[in-house]
Amino acid sequence: AQTVTQSQPEMSVQEAETVTLSCTYDTSESDYYLFWYKQPPSRQMILVIRQEAYKQQNATENRFSVNFQKAAKSFSLKISDSQLGDAAMYFCAYRSAYENFGNEKLTFGTGTRLTIIP
Amino acid sequence: DSGVTQTPKHLITATGQRVTLRCSPRSGDLSVYWYQQSLDQGLQFLIQYYNGEERAKGNILERFSAQQFPDLHSELNLSSLELGDSALYFCASSVKDRVVETQYFGPGTRLLVL
Repeated sequence: AQTVTQSQPEMSVQEAETVTLSCTYDTSESDYYLFWYKQPPSRQMILVIRQEAYKQQNATENRFSVNFQKAAKSFSLKISDSQLGDAAMYFCAYRSAYENFGNEKLTFGTGTRLTIIP
Repeated sequence: DSGVTQTPKHLITATGQRVTLRCSPRSGDLSVYWYQQSLDQGLQFLIQYYNGEERAKGNILERFSAQQFPDLHSELNLSSLELGDSALYFCASSVKDRVVETQYFGPGTRLLVL
């Protein structure tokens, strides 16, 4: 079974600065997808960014980018120019790319609470 | 707005009762997933339906059941409720966007069992 670990329960960053959230995972599979979801105080789960394991290029979405290190099984999220609206819980998630029964679910880490300091 | 809808938003009930949570997936999405988010367990996968058929089961209690109807909406039934069932229940539906299947979440139903 796959596991996802987020070792930073809480992080804080000054507004306009850059912050990196860590995520590591354990899997024996070679093909999979990784996601970062954001959960603001409204509790809505919002997709931030995704990465296909077969792609060496790191995904970027505006101010959000990832550092995907497949060999190290590491998938960190970098938020540049932090804004007050980035304050939220951030969850890292894993999904197998093998579409067998039971493989399509998301396995989540425990989350990192990000605080933005004005 | 993800396009996934869930009703009700909030539910308060007593131990021993039964409730039904409803989810409507994004238009065209055939897969529906249910997740439970509790304070001590994080986000846990409960069950997946695909085009009306159960496809995968996770950490779902026997007191819980689900189904997906021909119009693709899904219902999660929770019975003999216990205090520990208090949680946020999410429904997600998925779309295959080029290569990556991405799950989009509804706003959740917050269940409080008293």
